[in-house]
Amino acid sequence: EAGVAQSPRYKIIEKRQSVAFWCNPISGHATLYWYQQILGQGPKLLIQFQNNGVVDDSQLPKDRFSAERLKGVDSTLKIQPAKLEDSAVYLCASRRPGSSYNEQFFGPGTRLTVL
Amino acid sequence: ELKVEQNPLFLSMQEGKNYTIYCNYSTTSDRLYWYRQDPGKSLESLFVLLSNGAVKQEGRLMASLDTKARLSTLHITAAVHDLSATYFCAVLTNAGKSTFGDGTTLTVKP
Repeated sequence: EAGVAQSPRYKIIEKRQSVAFWCNPISGHATLYWYQQILGQGPKLLIQFQNNGVVDDSQLPKDRFSAERLKGVDSTLKIQPAKLEDSAVYLCASRRPGSSYNEQFFGPGTRLTVL
Repeated sequence: ELKVEQNPLFLSMQEGKNYTIYCNYSTTSDRLYWYRQDPGKSLESLFVLLSNGAVKQEGRLMASLDTKARLSTLHITAAVHDLSATYFCAVLTNAGKSTFGDGTTLTVKP
């Protein structure tokens, strides 16, 4: 089966600009996650969707970050306006509910550089 | 707030040596995951540990889970250069939220 797809793979913007990332999860995976991974750190959960509903967005900086998953399949994560400290890799992951392992499958990530 | 701590954060080993990476977590959970990440790459799942006393092995890597001590270990046997990578543990809460450690960067030298 196809894995989690993300685009773009790389993005360079200047501070105060806007940027959007796209994720298409594995077919049939109802749960979708967005993580932020700053260099030298582990992934930090930004938002978790179950179908098109938000399960957890407690660590999403809502003044500048937004995410949606309108049809319960693909998702977009937006940053507006970007700050220098947003430079990171943004990882999307998906999971099939009901699996005994509850295992997440990660996409290749989008590397964002804010200048 | 769930905290996951790994140690060491950096590990330099000689080929052929053994070593253990530790993962401590701060709240009750019976699901723990180990991932590998190569530079510039995404996370690759290594092990899923679902219950107290679980032990899984794949090649030169063996992972174990002690839920009472809130501790998981990743043991490396007779290290080879191909094992050089960053290893993350992650804990899954009952609410389905994953919290990752900051990773252990392993360098295996000839």
